[in-house]
Amino acid sequence: QVQLQESGPGLVKPSETLSLTCAVSGYSISSGYYWGWIRLPPGKGLEWIGSIFHSGITYYNASLKSRVTISVDTSKNQFSLKLSSVTAADTALYYCARLQGFGEFWGQGTLVTVSS
Amino acid sequence: EIVMTQSPATLSVSPGERATLSCRASQSVSSNLAWYQQKPGQAPRLLIYGASTRATGIPARFSGSGSGAEFTLTISSLQSEDFALYYCQQYINWPPITFGQGTRLEIK
Repeated sequence: QVQLQESGPGLVKPSETLSLTCAVSGYSISSGYYWGWIRLPPGKGLEWIGSIFHSGITYYNASLKSRVTISVDTSKNQFSLKLSSVTAADTALYYCARLQGFGEFWGQGTLVTVSS
Repeated sequence: EIVMTQSPATLSVSPGERATLSCRASQSVSSNLAWYQQKPGQAPRLLIYGASTRATGIPARFSGSGSGAEFTLTISSLQSEDFALYYCQQYINWPPITFGQGTRLEIK
């Protein structure tokens, strides 16, 4: 069974960089599929942030593209999200998922709050 | 960007009854449509992909239909565990992928 687990700081200061990692077990990222990040801001709907293939090919949400970097570490079977210059609007539950078109497997999510 | 619109925002249905949730795309997505269920504190759970294919382990009371720009998720006989938030999501020619704003299914 494919399992994903997000990790990273739960509190980030405004203007700083949010950094999260998603550890994958039960499947080798190098074997294929795209892997991605989605967030759920309080009181709002799900928002796709971006996706990455094991080769490093990335796709980003146009509205976040200037601030987002997604990378993959196949040796550790994990991928990461960096979101720079965060504001309160970036406060959300952040999920990682195996996301090739639709998301078949998801992590449990991690709450990131942007506050000083 | 394709905009997904779900209706109604909230649906009140009694246990044992049928629930019908709607999702409309701003342009055709063919059958590239998925449905998810989300409960508080849990990750979204894939229910349906390809507009009508149930994901692994999803009970037969969940069914999806539609193509093009109009889609429906039907839950034939509501169980207590089915009261949750439901999202539709398109993935034609992704990226990007976009989600609807959700329908909250509550107990009547």
